[in-house]
Amino acid sequence: QSVLTQPPSASGTPGQRVTISCSGSSSNIGSHTLTWYQQFPGTAPKLLMYDNNQRPSGVPDRFSGSKSGTSASLAISGLQSEDEADYYCAAWDDSLSNWVFGGGTKLTVL
Amino acid sequence: QVQLQESGPGLVKPSETLSLTCAVSGYSINSGYRWSWIRQPPGKGLEWIGSIYLSGSTYYNPSLKSRVIISVDTSRNQFSLKVSSVTAADTAVYYCARQNGYYDHTGSHYYLDYWGQGTLVTVTS
Repeated sequence: QSVLTQPPSASGTPGQRVTISCSGSSSNIGSHTLTWYQQFPGTAPKLLMYDNNQRPSGVPDRFSGSKSGTSASLAISGLQSEDEADYYCAAWDDSLSNWVFGGGTKLTVL
Repeated sequence: QVQLQESGPGLVKPSETLSLTCAVSGYSINSGYRWSWIRQPPGKGLEWIGSIYLSGSTYYNPSLKSRVIISVDTSRNQFSLKVSSVTAADTAVYYCARQNGYYDHTGSHYYLDYWGQGTLVTVTS
């Protein structure tokens, strides 16, 4: 059971807009910024979004992040086949004194 | 370009100590940042193990704290992980990563910006 809650799966067709949610509590998302990572099978996670909505250099602006209270979401617009991957949210947790991750969402492009 | 590379035995016997090293290139550990270990059991999600600061200060996942030691060797530009008394539950891909960001009055703004490729460690007799 992960501290941050994500839907196990999400899907969309090419060109569509998809959102992935991440729900937490006041001790993590409610108090600290959220980070998103993208992971393709057999590879290391890659930083996708930091400080809730900041994209590292090289990440397309099709990806956007938002946070409100103890929840956050990652939106992917103009969905492409190469976006098919696992997505993880993460934040620091004061109560656990620990980085916590969501369980991951497997995105399928139909 | 910052690169991280994990190395160490791929097989460890139960009750023994798992030891991994992360070599950093393209950036001097002496220059700052924090350095972290994360693991991922096969088919499962990510779990933070701990981080070390340049000062030598360490932060560990409370669930692993009694068995984990993270250290840094600035002369070799690398940092290391030791997990003692391993069991099958410690079987995972182990990643090292650089922790970027800062902490201010609004909270943590930290994130893991560079990752190693990961190394699979299997605990088996």
